[in-house]
Amino acid sequence: EPEVTQTPSHQVTQMGQEVILRCVPISNHLYFYWYRQILGQKVEFLVSFYNNEISEKSEIFDDQFSVERPDGSNFTLKIRSTKLEDSAMYFCASSEGGGSYEQYFGPGTRLTVT
Amino acid sequence: EDKVVQSPLSLVVHEGDTVTLNCSYEVTNFRSLLWYKQEKKAPTFLFMLTSSGIEKKSGRLSSILDKKELFSILNITATQTGDSAIYLCAVELYSGGGADGLTFGKGTHLIIQP
Repeated sequence: EPEVTQTPSHQVTQMGQEVILRCVPISNHLYFYWYRQILGQKVEFLVSFYNNEISEKSEIFDDQFSVERPDGSNFTLKIRSTKLEDSAMYFCASSEGGGSYEQYFGPGTRLTVT
Repeated sequence: EDKVVQSPLSLVVHEGDTVTLNCSYEVTNFRSLLWYKQEKKAPTFLFMLTSSGIEKKSGRLSSILDKKELFSILNITATQTGDSAIYLCAVELYSGGGADGLTFGKGTHLIIQP
């Protein structure tokens, strides 16, 4: 069964460093999302992406974050200058359509900022 | 502020019991409600509900939505130890942008004892 994949599974970085989290969405899906889950807290929406541009973003998704689809398969989240509070599990998701379509989640990347 | 509230936050039952998990929401521009199961990492899709009163069923799991009273329930009958997980409720809103982010509740941590 097709699935969303993410790399790496765990990333440790120092405060102030840039990180890129990678995702390969399900191949026939057109809508892509990033969420994060700080340990012990809710899953929170960051951003959605369609047709090579951001469709919607939350208040969390500030100027230090960016997303890109650099080729036909990858979808990336870049955090420019990491802070301690960016430590979280980051989930990528994809869906076939943009509304009332199931979003399928990847296994996540655990980001630890020291 | 859009809110999704799940209850109970945790529940311990014995194998074979039936459980009912609750999700209420106060949101503007409701589009759909989704249930996910989160075991170790990625939320796994269970159901999407858009219409009131229509039960969705998959094996021992079922779910229904009440758009008048703004809640949904997830039922699990004849529970098994493999049902132990965090069950997440999420609401999709109309954003106008096409790719709508989900607003999650805190989840219900279900533990099934043998």
